[in-house]
Amino acid sequence: AQTVTQSQPEMSVQEAETVTLSCTYDTSESNYYLFWYKQPPSRQMILVIRQEAYKQQNATENRFSVNFQKAAKSFSLKISDSQLGDTAMYFCAFMKYRGGTASKLTFGTGTRLQVTL
Amino acid sequence: NAGVTQTPKFRILKIGQSMTLQCTQDMNHNYMYWYRQDPGMGLKLIYYSVGAGITDKGEVPNGYNVSRSTTEDFPLRLELAAPSQTSVYFCASSPGHQETQYFGPGTRLLVL
Repeated sequence: AQTVTQSQPEMSVQEAETVTLSCTYDTSESNYYLFWYKQPPSRQMILVIRQEAYKQQNATENRFSVNFQKAAKSFSLKISDSQLGDTAMYFCAFMKYRGGTASKLTFGTGTRLQVTL
Repeated sequence: NAGVTQTPKFRILKIGQSMTLQCTQDMNHNYMYWYRQDPGMGLKLIYYSVGAGITDKGEVPNGYNVSRSTTEDFPLRLELAAPSQTSVYFCASSPGHQETQYFGPGTRLLVL
């Protein structure tokens, strides 16, 4: 079974600064996908970024980028130029490749990020 | 675009009561999912569906039932509510089995 670990329950960053959220996972699979989801106080789960394990290039999405280290099974999220609207719970999630059938997401326990003035 | 919608937003149930959580998506996605999120935890998969008429169990299916009669709708049924089912329930959909899942706003359920 896959496990996802987020070792930082809470983090704080000042507006306009950069912050990195950590995520490690454990799997014996070689093909899989990794995600970061954001959950603001509204509780809506919003996709931030997605990474395919077979791609060596790190995914980026505007101010959000990842550092994917496959050998180390590490998948950290970097938020640049932090904004107040980035305040949220951030979940790292894993999806293994299963040809032809549905794949469930395995979530970490989340990191609560507070962006301050 | 509506995306994934869920009703109700919040509900209080007494132990032993039953209810159905509604989920509808307008993106013509074949795959739909139900997750629950307990306080301070990540989401866990309850049931999923790969298309109309096809459903299967996830990690934590006990105490729940689902049906999928149309592509758009994927209701979750609680037959005998228990305090352990107090949680926030999320419905999600995806166009394919390896595709990104898009989530609804959640239903908060309190069983007393």
